[in-house]
Amino acid sequence: KAGVTQTPRYLIKTRGQQVTLSCSPISGHRSVSWYQQTPGQGLQFLFEYFSETQRNKGNFPGRFSGRQFSNSRSEMNVSTLELGDSALYLCASSPEQGRAGEQYFGPGTRLTVT
Amino acid sequence: SQQGEEDPQALSIQEGENATMNCSYKTSINNLQWYRQNSGRGLVHLILIRSNEREKHSGRLRVTLDTSKKSSSLLITASRAADTASYFCATDANDYKLSFGAGTTVTVRA
Repeated sequence: KAGVTQTPRYLIKTRGQQVTLSCSPISGHRSVSWYQQTPGQGLQFLFEYFSETQRNKGNFPGRFSGRQFSNSRSEMNVSTLELGDSALYLCASSPEQGRAGEQYFGPGTRLTVT
Repeated sequence: SQQGEEDPQALSIQEGENATMNCSYKTSINNLQWYRQNSGRGLVHLILIRSNEREKHSGRLRVTLDTSKKSSSLLITASRAADTASYFCATDANDYKLSFGAGTTVTVRA
């Protein structure tokens, strides 16, 4: 099976702009999670979706949003970008329905905000 | 905030030696997992240990879990240069997310 794919891999944006990141999970996986990784805060949970429903959301401002489509592909959006949003954004999929089992991570999208 | 704390933050060992890193967490968990990350790339799942298990092996990896102390350890035996990476523990507290520790950076010297 193909692994988790994320597009784009690299992105440079300016403060105040918005950005949309995309994630395609492994075929058959219906759970998709997003994480933000920075040197200062480490890996922080953003949100998790299962069958188009958000089941949990991390402690991030409302500028961070996401959604999942019927084919399990997911997108996350960050509006009004700030310098502190520069990070590696990781998407992970899982075949688990009831809990956070083994996660399969994509290569990430490196976002730089200038 | 992060659920897990890892110790040490960094570890440098000679090829062939064993590497041990520890993880402590704060709340009750369903399972604990270990992941590896090479140079800012995606994470790779190494091993999952459930809350009712005490020890688990996978190849050169050995994981222990002590739920009474809320701690886990990862042992990598006979290390290789390819084991150079950051290692993260992550806990599942039945809330549809993983909470990651800060990670241990392991450098294996040839």
